[in-house]
Amino acid sequence: GENVEQHPSTLSVQEGDSAVIKCTYSDSASNYFPWYKQELGKGPQLIIDIRSNVGEKKDQRIAVTLNKTAKHFSLHITETQPEDSAVYFCAASFGVGNQFYFGTGTSLTVIP
Amino acid sequence: GAVVSQHPSRVICKSGTSVKIECRSLDFQATTMFWYRQFPKQSLMLMATSNEGSKATYEQGVEKDKFLINHASLTLSTLTVTSAHPEDSSFYICSARSRTGGFDQPQHFGDGTRLSIL
Repeated sequence: GENVEQHPSTLSVQEGDSAVIKCTYSDSASNYFPWYKQELGKGPQLIIDIRSNVGEKKDQRIAVTLNKTAKHFSLHITETQPEDSAVYFCAASFGVGNQFYFGTGTSLTVIP
Repeated sequence: GAVVSQHPSRVICKSGTSVKIECRSLDFQATTMFWYRQFPKQSLMLMATSNEGSKATYEQGVEKDKFLINHASLTLSTLTVTSAHPEDSSFYICSARSRTGGFDQPQHFGDGTRLSIL
């Protein structure tokens, strides 16, 4: 089955700096890669996703890059704000509607 | 759009009690719903996948008689933890996805249920 690794497990940045979270996957058949943000006591919220036919996608301060050859994808948050503090999960799946394989999560703290 | 409501948000009950958790898609029809379990500071562990009108598919190691899942309509799935014991205490999260124009849409998650068994 698919195995998704996520690094780092914790990340602290100063407000205004950028944050980068990286994930690798093992199954070359995976073709859909969403990123979720989970705040304390809440369920994960989809923040951005990318399909395997695209190398990069951007939405305001958030961007995701995908390297299919190396089987890794990354989340980039620019101009971080305290409200970006949360746990971020990457996931991989074969098909948008199929089972997600989640990474282990990254706890991001943005220091004011 | 794409709102998933999960109820209750928190349950505290005695050992041996059965607990039902509801997951509703409020503004879309959920052809598939997923149930996850999350331990503190850990990732989400898929427990089962349910498609409307059919039996749920359970992941290896998940007791189907312990965790009863019903997906009776396109907007509602329930998870019943039968005869709950302290080791069943956890954060349970559901997600739902729909199909629009023949294409699957991403999973959207509820806010979870914190289950505490005394």
